[in-house]
Amino acid sequence: NAGVTQTPKFRVLKTGQSMTLLCAQDMNHEYMYWYRQDPGMGLRLIHYSVGEGTTAKGEVPDGYNVSRLKKQNFLLGLESAAPSQTSVYFCASSYGGGGEQYFGPGTRLTVT
Amino acid sequence: QKEVEQDPGPLSVPEGAIVSLNCTYSNSAFQYFMWYRQYSRKGPELLMYTYSSGNKEDGRFTAQVDKSSKYISLFIRDSQPSDSATYLCAMSVRQTGANNLFFGTGTRLTVIP
Repeated sequence: NAGVTQTPKFRVLKTGQSMTLLCAQDMNHEYMYWYRQDPGMGLRLIHYSVGEGTTAKGEVPDGYNVSRLKKQNFLLGLESAAPSQTSVYFCASSYGGGGEQYFGPGTRLTVT
Repeated sequence: QKEVEQDPGPLSVPEGAIVSLNCTYSNSAFQYFMWYRQYSRKGPELLMYTYSSGNKEDGRFTAQVDKSSKYISLFIRDSQPSDSATYLCAMSVRQTGANNLFFGTGTRLTVIP
């Protein structure tokens, strides 16, 4: 039981490049979330999903897109990366949409 | 003003000390209150979860919620070097089908052997 896994662990992008971050969970959770964590700002919700085929905007959705084609996977896309998107990205999942969320190990993204 | 305020520290205590970590919030709609622990370069892990005013105890950890004052605390008794981590408070409110979390910025704790 791997829990929540994220791919890749590290990535460096140039401004304007695109990439997709993959999150996978093996706990059969309905709810999945993408956060970014920045110094002095804490964790902020980017997008979330309440089930397969659904997505919704969180607190800071601009510049990101998401897809949940399979229940176990939640993808976060950056279409045209900007230096302001340099951050640590965490994926999380939960069974019932409450506060008990399980987090992945994070992806460190640097945009130069 | 942020919805959740947390003193970033850092906080440094000797082994065996009692640690008190605190958060305040402004949104009276918050229903659930949590503490997450995050070790360096790892994802947060849930430590304590409560939904009512009062105290909840789990081993060396006690979570306290005062909804009238919009104030939550985490107490760690007999602190250990393995408790050295960043502690994040989090609160949830129902939004479009999910109880989304709002996090504090985290308090970095170091327990010195």
